[in-house]
Amino acid sequence: QKEVEQNSGPLSVPEGAIASLNCTYSDRVSQSFFWYRQYSGKSPELIMSIYSNGDKEDGRFTAQLNKASQYVSLLIRDSQPSDSATYLCAARNQFYFGTGTSLTVIP
Amino acid sequence: EAGVAQSPRYKIIEKRQSVAFWCNPISGHATLYWYQQILGQGPKLLIQFQNNGVVDDSQLPKDRFSAERLKGVDSTLKIQPAKLEDSAVYLCASSPYPDRGRTGELFFGEGSRLTVL
Repeated sequence: QKEVEQNSGPLSVPEGAIASLNCTYSDRVSQSFFWYRQYSGKSPELIMSIYSNGDKEDGRFTAQLNKASQYVSLLIRDSQPSDSATYLCAARNQFYFGTGTSLTVIP
Repeated sequence: EAGVAQSPRYKIIEKRQSVAFWCNPISGHATLYWYQQILGQGPKLLIQFQNNGVVDDSQLPKDRFSAERLKGVDSTLKIQPAKLEDSAVYLCASSPYPDRGRTGELFFGEGSRLTVL
């Protein structure tokens, strides 16, 4: 049941670059969208939530939502090696997660 | 504030045996989720409880998996009999909000890693 789809990657970017992560969802009823970060061997942790069309910025992170296109993205500016993790997109109708995108930031 | 507690952290069993996982959510959190995360994949929602009622169990393999949340607090997830493909991390999460539109974040426990031989 693929409610949320992500490119599984892996995605590699050099330190200081912008990392772009994308997610599409199928359920038009979904109103809330979340980006979680999961380090290897750890549980997911919330980094961004977005409810309205447009951009939402929090430090180096920007979430973008386009409900007409059923598309959510996450931009990480000035990527750091500590950003290396798997990024999970979740659409809130029943909190289904995507498969995750593995990001590696190369020093 | 204490986080979501799960036990056991690790469990190794042979196929066809049974196993149970326990979860204690953050105090006052009405919503509780069980996820299955197979290596290299995203978490798959198995069941969602609102207090002690089931909101969504559409992806729970009911022939072998069962879950309950007595008194709207602790929850147990049971697998009987286990199969090789059940090897995964079982994540419990809780949320302070009910399931209506705009909701808050999920707080995850550390997970229970199951290996089925």
